[in-house]
Amino acid sequence: SAVISQKPSRDICQRGTSLTIQCQVDSQVTMMFWYRQQPGQSLTLIATANQGSEATYESGFVIDKFPISRPNLTFSTLTVSNMSPEDSSIYLCSVENGREAFFGQGTRLTVV
Amino acid sequence: DAKTTQPTSMDCAEGRAANLPCNHSTISGNEYVYWYRQIHSQGPQYIIHGLKNNETNEMASLIITEDRKSSTLILPHATLRDTAVYYCIVRDPGGATNKLIFGTGTLLAVQP
Repeated sequence: SAVISQKPSRDICQRGTSLTIQCQVDSQVTMMFWYRQQPGQSLTLIATANQGSEATYESGFVIDKFPISRPNLTFSTLTVSNMSPEDSSIYLCSVENGREAFFGQGTRLTVV
Repeated sequence: DAKTTQPTSMDCAEGRAANLPCNHSTISGNEYVYWYRQIHSQGPQYIIHGLKNNETNEMASLIITEDRKSSTLILPHATLRDTAVYYCIVRDPGGATNKLIFGTGTLLAVQP
């Protein structure tokens, strides 16, 4: 199994500002995944972060809005840039072990 | 887009078996059926997965039809803590559909 810690667990931010979410895993993993869960909705994959290379973004998500860092095999950050109220969501980090995916508790972001 | 369809919601009496159906009529030969659940305010949790044989673990049983176009997740003795959104996901771990694509899921409400 894998234990994932996300920081912050929640935040309230002003529109136009940026927030960086941290994800720490207790074991080394090749890929880390970032998801968004808008209020009342299912999870949507934002991007896949590989150590040592650029993140791969899904359709509808761009690097300028959601820059991702992956400095080593146990850590990643997702930044939500130039926030608007529409960015209010839960952001989740995930890793896999080949059989199952493990998720952090998420970061609940409210943009006012 | 998700390749599965599930009922939006279901009720189950505490102590009874919960049977959650999933249709995946376009599933291909290399794609597995995965089940995850998301309890309120938590990240998704892996339950079980299978290819074509029925599977059972400490959490649940997975029954896959012979043509693999549908499956049923069975929680044998539902408790109030099983109230959650249950996601049925089709993926090929080693192929083009190796991403976890979450559909809308089934909200299971276990009633006392």
